Amino acid sequence: EDKVVQSPLSLVVHEGDTVTLNCSYEVTNFRSLLWYKQEKKAPTFLFMLTSSGIEKKSGRLSSILDKKELFSILNITATQTGDSAVYLCAVHCRDDKIIFGKGTRLHILP
Amino acid sequence: NAGVTQTPKFRILKIGQSMTLQCTQDMNHNYMYWYRQDPGMGLKLIYYSVGAGITDKGEVPNGYNVSRSTTEDFPLRLELAAPSQTSVYFCASSSRSLSEKLFFGSGTQLSVL
Repeated sequence: EDKVVQSPLSLVVHEGDTVTLNCSYEVTNFRSLLWYKQEKKAPTFLFMLTSSGIEKKSGRLSSILDKKELFSILNITATQTGDSAVYLCAVHCRDDKIIFGKGTRLHILP
Repeated sequence: NAGVTQTPKFRILKIGQSMTLQCTQDMNHNYMYWYRQDPGMGLKLIYYSVGAGITDKGEVPNGYNVSRSTTEDFPLRLELAAPSQTSVYFCASSSRSLSEKLFFGSGTQLSVL
C-alpha cells in the first residue's frame, strides 16, 4: 500500500525560529514529491521535486529530496506568523495518483 | 477566472440519503481529483480522472461514484450516506503539462447525521 508519512504532526515555535518538516514515503512507481501549504481552506502548491540532492528554494522556504532514502525535508527560515498553516507532503505516482500525508500543523508564536 | 468551483459549500444529510457534489473547472485541465479531509488529517484520494470518459479509484472509493462525461465537470455521487462520510470534500484539477500542480476548489463541508 502506498503511503506518505510526515513528522512531526504538529509544531509550535517562536517567530524568527527555523523549522524543518519531514516527509518519508513508500510508493510504487514514484514520479515526483510535492509540498503544499494549507491555511484556512484549500491547499496551495509550494514545490515539486523530482531529482535527489537538488534544492528548490522560494524565499524563506526550501526543500530537498533524497530518492535513495525515500524522504524529503521542507525548511522554513526566519519564520513569521503568516507561516502558520498545515504543510502537506504528497507523492505523484506514475499512474497519476497523488497521495498525501497527514500534514504537519505549524503554529508560529509572535 | 473562476478556476475550480464546487457546490454546495455546506450540506447536511440524513443517513441513507443520496447526493451529488458538483465540481467544474474552466481551465481546460485534463486531470481532476476528488479528496476528502477528515478533521486533523491529510487528504485521502477518492477518485481521479485523467480525461473525459476515464475514471480510476483512489485510496478510499467505497461508497462513492464518479463520472467524467466532459472535460469541465467531475461530479461525485454518494448513494447511501453514512456517518463515516462526514468530512470536507475537495475537488482539484491540473493540466497535462504540470499535472503535479493541483488547483483546488474551496471545499464542501458535508455532515451525515
